[in-house]
Amino acid sequence: DAMVIQNPRYQVTQFGKPVTLSCSQTLNHNVMYWYQQKSSQAPKLLFHYYDKDFNNEADTPDNFQSRRPNTSFCFLDIRSPGLGDAAMYLCATSDLGGVGTEAFFGQGTRLTVV
Amino acid sequence: AQKITQTQPGMFVQEKEAVTLDCTYDTSDPSYGLFWYKQPSSGEMIFLIYQGSYDQQNATEGRYSLNFQKARKSANLVISASQLGDSAMYFCAMREGRGNTDKLIFGTGTRLQVFP
Repeated sequence: DAMVIQNPRYQVTQFGKPVTLSCSQTLNHNVMYWYQQKSSQAPKLLFHYYDKDFNNEADTPDNFQSRRPNTSFCFLDIRSPGLGDAAMYLCATSDLGGVGTEAFFGQGTRLTVV
Repeated sequence: AQKITQTQPGMFVQEKEAVTLDCTYDTSDPSYGLFWYKQPSSGEMIFLIYQGSYDQQNATEGRYSLNFQKARKSANLVISASQLGDSAMYFCAMREGRGNTDKLIFGTGTRLQVFP
């Protein structure tokens, strides 16, 4: 059974139209990450939640926001998507066990901006 | 500054042969973890193997082993007896920090192609 679930798998949105990507987990992990991965590039960390504490990466554009209403769910909001935001968005979760703790990934949402 | 460096954009290996994928890292934190993930064309990240900074022995998981050279700050992945299904992107990643600064960052990846 999938433990980290991202919906939808594929999302097409219009230029400038707000879009929300969702991630849910059944692992009860405290840490949740959002990564942006463009074609043939490394996943780039956008932000992460350490329990309820939100941690934004310094170079994450303001266009990207996140919400975590409870332990199980986390959302990525793109307020005004541009063509450059087309990418795979990966959600991952991890327990609080420290640097040796494995991160579990969802299958990703591939975002297309038209 | 790049924290994780993978210098091989692409690698080819013949089926049943062994292949080494390189990874070097940079951190001043004495406590860190190094991970390798496989990403097939479908997109999901599959965890392969982990090495902790304090581990005395190199990690092994089936056909995967990690050649950990701490002084050189390298953590190369060795895949033995390559299979066609091993063709994918491979990412080296490092987890460092504590509490709110704890995060997992990735290298640029190596595309491995296994041919018959």
